[in-house]
Amino acid sequence: KAGVTQTPRYLIKTRGQQVTLSCSPISGHRSVSWYQQTPGQGLQFLFEYFSETQRNKGNFPGRFSGRQFSNSRSEMNVSTLELGDSALYLCASSPKRNIPGELYEKLFFGSGTQLSVL
Amino acid sequence: SQQGEEDPQALSIQEGENATMNCSYKTSINNLQWYRQNSGRGLVHLILIRSNEREKHSGRLRVTLDTSKKSSSLLITASRAADTASYFCATDAGYSGGYQKVTFGTGTKLQVIP
Repeated sequence: KAGVTQTPRYLIKTRGQQVTLSCSPISGHRSVSWYQQTPGQGLQFLFEYFSETQRNKGNFPGRFSGRQFSNSRSEMNVSTLELGDSALYLCASSPKRNIPGELYEKLFFGSGTQLSVL
Repeated sequence: SQQGEEDPQALSIQEGENATMNCSYKTSINNLQWYRQNSGRGLVHLILIRSNEREKHSGRLRVTLDTSKKSSSLLITASRAADTASYFCATDAGYSGGYQKVTFGTGTKLQVIP
């Protein structure tokens, strides 16, 4: 089975621009979560999608948004980029996250998109 | 804000030694997981321990959980150079609206010197 695929791997943008990141989960996984990782703040939860609906949201401004398609692929968008948005953005998938059980609870991560805002 | 905080922030040991890292968290949890991250890559799940379990083993890994102290520890025995990575604890604080929210600690950077 192919793992979680994130594209692009690296991205350089300038302040004020907007960016879209893509995540293809493992086949059969219906839940996709997004995290922002920076040296200063660590891993911060952005949001989670399941069956095309946002189920949970972290404490990020409205400039951060996402969506999930019927094939479970997900995109996240950041508008009006700021220097502080420079980070590694990680996507994680899980089979079915609303059922207790280790099979469903562990997250499978992609390699991330490294975003640099200049 | 981070749910978990790891201690120490960085750890350097010789190959063959044991490595212990600790995680403290703030709210009650359903389970606690440990993940490993190699430099600049995604995280890999290592082990999950439930709130009603006290200890769990997987290969060279041993995890303990003390819910009264809201803390967990990860022990890696007989460390190898390949264990060099950052280690994160992650807590699941419950099923908000039916879906869990997993939050990560600050991480411990482990260096194993050959």
